[in-house]
Amino acid sequence: NAGVMQNPRHLVRRRGQEARLRCSPMKGHSHVYWYRQLPEEGLKFMVYLQKENIIDESGMPKERFSAEFPKEGPSILRIQQVVRGDSAAYFCASSPIGQGVIYEQYFGPGTRLTVT
Amino acid sequence: KQEVTQIPAALSVPEGENLVLNCSFTDSAIYNLQWFRQDPGKGLTSLLLIQSSQREQTSGRLNASLDKSSGRSTLYIAASQPGDSATYLCAVKGNNRLAFGKGNQVVVIP
Repeated sequence: NAGVMQNPRHLVRRRGQEARLRCSPMKGHSHVYWYRQLPEEGLKFMVYLQKENIIDESGMPKERFSAEFPKEGPSILRIQQVVRGDSAAYFCASSPIGQGVIYEQYFGPGTRLTVT
Repeated sequence: KQEVTQIPAALSVPEGENLVLNCSFTDSAIYNLQWFRQDPGKGLTSLLLIQSSQREQTSGRLNASLDKSSGRSTLYIAASQPGDSATYLCAVKGNNRLAFGKGNQVVVIP
């Protein structure tokens, strides 16, 4: 059973470009979480999605950031018009069930975004 | 809002000593607590998961305790080895998310 997959592993973008980060959850998992780790900071929750639904996006910046988890295919975290402050490691996690229960979240290897 | 604090932020110990890493959290309404290991530039490796109803979990040289009422967890690593050098992250699970501490950066000196 493959783990959580993220691609690309490393992404370099110039200021003003768009970044698309992809996450394929573990087989059988329908809940996806995105976290961001800024340099010298802890991981911070960004968004929680189920298939075709955003459940909690309270950690997402209000502008330029969006996330989706379509019925088919991976979850996508999209950052428009990137700025240097977006440079960070972005981690995706998945679980079989999400809200209010005790299931473990399994993490992918992360995508390291560098904005030049 | 859940706040997770890890003390000390960094420590160095000689090989063979036991490691004690502390984690505290402000909201005791958690579902579970998890300890992760992160190597530089790498992802997260889950070490131990303690459910809110449990007091401790053990795996090999690792033991983690949880005192939910006082908002504390401790990770013990027995007989440390140079390969234990890494950053250790504590995370508590609320309703929709994990809240992470900033980590304990550990160096084990051969």
